[in-house]
Amino acid sequence: KAGVTQTPRYLIKTRGQQVTLSCSPISGHRSVSWYQQTPGQGLQFLFEYFSETQRNKGNFPGRFSGRQFSNSRSEMNVSTLELGDSALYLCASRGRAVTQYFGPGTRLTVL
Amino acid sequence: DQQVKQNSPSLSVQEGRISILNCDYTNSMFDYFLWYKKYPAEGPTFLISISSIKDKNEDGRFTVFLNKSAKHLSLHIVPSQPGDSAVYFCAARHTGGGNKLTFGTGTQLKVEL
Repeated sequence: KAGVTQTPRYLIKTRGQQVTLSCSPISGHRSVSWYQQTPGQGLQFLFEYFSETQRNKGNFPGRFSGRQFSNSRSEMNVSTLELGDSALYLCASRGRAVTQYFGPGTRLTVL
Repeated sequence: DQQVKQNSPSLSVQEGRISILNCDYTNSMFDYFLWYKKYPAEGPTFLISISSIKDKNEDGRFTVFLNKSAKHLSLHIVPSQPGDSAVYFCAARHTGGGNKLTFGTGTQLKVEL
């Protein structure tokens, strides 16, 4: 089976812009979660989706949003980018078991 | 409030010896614990997990031990290999069946020849 794929892998934006990141889960997985990794805060949970519904949300401002499509693919959006949003954004998918499998991430740099 | 802690930022061991990575948690509302390995600029790779009702799980060279009374878990790698050099994260899943994982800050393992 192909793993979790994320596009794009690298992205450079300027402050105030918005960005959309995409994630395709492992085939058959209906659950997708997003995480942010920064040197200062480590790996932090953003939100999770299951069957197109947001099931859980982490402690991030409303500028961070996401959605899931009927084919389980997911997107996350960050509006009005700030310098502190520079991070590695990771998507993880899960099937029926507990284990979440991560994609390679999107490295976002905000200038 | 750091609910999952990895107090050793780095660990160095010799090839062939045992690596022991430690993790402490403060929240009793975790039902599964997972260990991931991560290389720079890549996503975490799943290694092994343990349910909160178990005290040991083994998979090849990797064994995870859970001490619920001490709220402590450890990952043992035997024997350690140079390819094991990476950052290891402990993660805990919140009870309720969802996906939310709380991660520790990671331990950089270096396996030397």
